[in-house]
Amino acid sequence: AQKITQTQPGMFVQEKEAVTLDCTYDTSDPSYGLFWYKQPSSGEMIFLIYQGSYDQQNATEGRYSLNFQKARKSANLVISASQLGDSAMYFCAMRVDRGSTLGRLYFGRGTQLTVWP
Amino acid sequence: NAGVTQTPKFQVLKTGQSMTLQCAQDMNHEYMSWYRQDPGMGLRLIHYSVGAGITDQGEVPNGYNVSRSTTEDFPLRLLSAAPSQTSVYFCASSHRGSYSYEQYFGPGTRLTVT
Repeated sequence: AQKITQTQPGMFVQEKEAVTLDCTYDTSDPSYGLFWYKQPSSGEMIFLIYQGSYDQQNATEGRYSLNFQKARKSANLVISASQLGDSAMYFCAMRVDRGSTLGRLYFGRGTQLTVWP
Repeated sequence: NAGVTQTPKFQVLKTGQSMTLQCAQDMNHEYMSWYRQDPGMGLRLIHYSVGAGITDQGEVPNGYNVSRSTTEDFPLRLLSAAPSQTSVYFCASSHRGSYSYEQYFGPGTRLTVT
């Protein structure tokens, strides 16, 4: 079975500091992809970053980086230099590369990040 | 491109009523999915489709029907609404053959069943 676990329901960070949001996953499939999405209070789902299971290097996108530790099955999101606009719900999600499941994602329960001045 | 569009944005139904949530994408994506989001539960897959004429069930399919007669449209039908179906519904699409199969989400439909 495929599973995504986000153990931090809420996180707080001061502006300009870095923060790590935890994500662990479980799958027996060797080929998969991991995503992070941001959901601000307005409700839309915003794609942040992607890591493939065979990617050699950790993904980075601007202030976002994905700390991918395959042996530990973890895919933590690191946000550097937090901004007030980073306050949002963050979801970790997984795609498993098995035929017809390519078009679906398995989501964690999310982490609510609050950035304070 | 409009991307993924969903209508309506908000809907209130009475128990037992039926309705269809509309989803359309103009990116010629093969894959389309419906998720529901409930507080503390993340997003859970209701139904998905890998192409026109092909659909499959996700984790929480009971009470919902889908069909996909065209690449662009993937409506979600609530057969007899129940209060347990009060939720935010997201439609998403992705392109087969893209590197990440990134899912593009619609803006969501907030449904309340009284």
